[in-house]
Amino acid sequence: KNEVEQSPQNLTAQEGEFITINCSYSVGISALHWLQQHPGGGIVSLFMLSSGKKKHGRLIATINIQEKHSSLHITASHPRDSAVYICAVMGGSQGNLIFGKGTKLSVKP
Amino acid sequence: GAGVSQSPSNKVTEKGKDVELRCDPISGHTALYWYRQSLGQGLEFLIYFQGNSAPDKSGLPSDRFSAERTGGSVSTLTIQRTQQEDSAVYLCASSLNGDRGLQPQHFGDGTRLSIL
Repeated sequence: KNEVEQSPQNLTAQEGEFITINCSYSVGISALHWLQQHPGGGIVSLFMLSSGKKKHGRLIATINIQEKHSSLHITASHPRDSAVYICAVMGGSQGNLIFGKGTKLSVKP
Repeated sequence: GAGVSQSPSNKVTEKGKDVELRCDPISGHTALYWYRQSLGQGLEFLIYFQGNSAPDKSGLPSDRFSAERTGGSVSTLTIQRTQQEDSAVYLCASSLNGDRGLQPQHFGDGTRLSIL
């Protein structure tokens, strides 16, 4: 079992829909990151959180430390949101991120 | 530019050759990370530098892989005697400090390495 599991693996939505991507992890963590990777390959850090909820524009990230679960929500989705969304956790005493396999989102106009 | 810079952006080489990949982190960032993304696979940690501390090499897949960071800034990832399974996108990231993941990581655009 992977230490970081994401669901769904692939997601197709219509423009305007509310989108949720889930991430579950099995290790103790100090922080959880949500990353966005565009088709060209560039990776952008969206959120870093260790508790509660963060919001940036149409994006909302939540984390439940007790349940070891995080969600990334996109409101009023747009075709430009099409990308791979990656959940990653920093666990234990290591300095590195442990990555989920990503969720490929495609938003149709 | 203010971002993480990687070079070359693309590298094609023959099996058995050595390659060097370069990463120039954001100025002032003390933490530097190397990751690898193979085709159809997720991101994989390779090595982590934090300031002057000994690097965390736990992710390097074999002794053909090595990395150094000179003067706490530029880093070079070296792959010796390349194999076809080394073909991947190699990504570098930096953060203000390593602080157990409590700093966002800024990624470069990666080097796409193809081994023929």
